[in-house]
Amino acid sequence: QVQLQESGPGLVKPSQTLSLTCTVSGGSISSGSYYWSWIRQPAGKGLEFLGRIYISGSTDYNPSLNSRVTMSIDKSKNQFSLRLTSVTAADTAVYYCARTRMYSFGTVFDNWGQGTLVTVSS
Amino acid sequence: DIQMTQSPSSLSASVGDRVTITCRASESISTYLNWYQQKPGKAPKALIYAASNLQSGVPSRFIGSGSGTDFTLTITSLQPEDFATYFCQQSSDTATFGQGTKVEIK
Repeated sequence: QVQLQESGPGLVKPSQTLSLTCTVSGGSISSGSYYWSWIRQPAGKGLEFLGRIYISGSTDYNPSLNSRVTMSIDKSKNQFSLRLTSVTAADTAVYYCARTRMYSFGTVFDNWGQGTLVTVSS
Repeated sequence: DIQMTQSPSSLSASVGDRVTITCRASESISTYLNWYQQKPGKAPKALIYAASNLQSGVPSRFIGSGSGTDFTLTITSLQPEDFATYFCQQSSDTATFGQGTKVEIK
């Protein structure tokens, strides 16, 4: 049973960098059948895809984040990470990591972490 | 980027009711459409992928249909555990989500 767990600071100051890590247990992050994604959800609002990374290190980011986002993967630790720079209050949200299964030409977020609340405030 | 629009934004229904939620894409996405269920304080859970394929372990009362730009999620007989918020998501061009439909108890 693969499980994902987010970790990182729950409070970040404005203009600073938000950094989160997702640890994958019960399976290998190196499986070629999956991307590894980050998604966020402000309180009471909808879901926003932030980006995804493949085991090769290739990434796809949401263009709306204007190059503020960077993702990385550490196969030796079975972890992948998110960095979001120059944060503002608008970045306050629950952040989820998710395994992203590939099928034919599509993908589905088939396994999610429990989510971690990140608040941007001075 | 592809926009996803769900309707209604909320609905009230009773146990045993048939419920239908619609999702429209701003351009054709073939059948690259997924549905998720989210309960308060929990992560979303995948229900259906590729428009009509049931995710493992999901009850057969959840039915997805559609292609191109118009899709529907039908719950054939609403159960108490189905009261939740439902999101559609396209995977034709990375990913975008609909704004959600909250299914409440009448």
